[in-house]
Amino acid sequence: QKEVEQDPGPLSVPEGAIVSLNCTYSNSAFQYFMWYRQYSRKGPELLMYTYSSGNKEDGRFTAQVDKSSKYISLFIRDSQPSDSATYLCAMTWGANSKLTFGKGITLSVRP
Amino acid sequence: GAVVSQHPSRVICKSGTSVKIECRSLDFQATTMFWYRQFPKQSLMLMATSNEGSKATYEQGVEKDKFLINHASLTLSTLTVTSAHPEDSSFYICSAPVAGGLGETQYFGPGTRLLVL
Repeated sequence: QKEVEQDPGPLSVPEGAIVSLNCTYSNSAFQYFMWYRQYSRKGPELLMYTYSSGNKEDGRFTAQVDKSSKYISLFIRDSQPSDSATYLCAMTWGANSKLTFGKGITLSVRP
Repeated sequence: GAVVSQHPSRVICKSGTSVKIECRSLDFQATTMFWYRQFPKQSLMLMATSNEGSKATYEQGVEKDKFLINHASLTLSTLTVTSAHPEDSSFYICSAPVAGGLGETQYFGPGTRLLVL
């Protein structure tokens, strides 16, 4: 079993849809959780990060963490064509520690 | 958010030459930086951890003599691909962690695309 499993894609939704992206993990030592967005031929861009169970909202994005179930999610409301990208979940256990990534899911938002 | 830059953004070189890629943290200090490579339609693969003032830590299967890493200062790490071959052609990305009041996160550079002819 991989340390981090991410729902496979690709995922295609119409503009305005609510998108749910999910990752599960097996290592309970992970304490910090991040979501990155990566456009083609660009470096990953940090979207959301959190360290506690619960929800964190930033504009159209909501990150959800459930440490008891070892499950994290990213919700995108009112999705836009500009949200079309690859989304990566990532997590780490402490300061200056390497990230463990999910495989990434490619999202396409149709106009 | 914190800013990480990379230079060059794209490089084309002949087989057998060496290529140096720079990674800089522009508005924060980083005692640790990470180097990744990414092939098309694949996730990032961690190559090594760059440590300021000490040797880099390489992931299993990564040749340390081929991918030389030097963390010269608290804001600069360099990756040198020595005697590059076409199979080294890839997208190389660095990241640097930032610790703050809310915990730990990492910021990525824009990446360097290497093409070895």
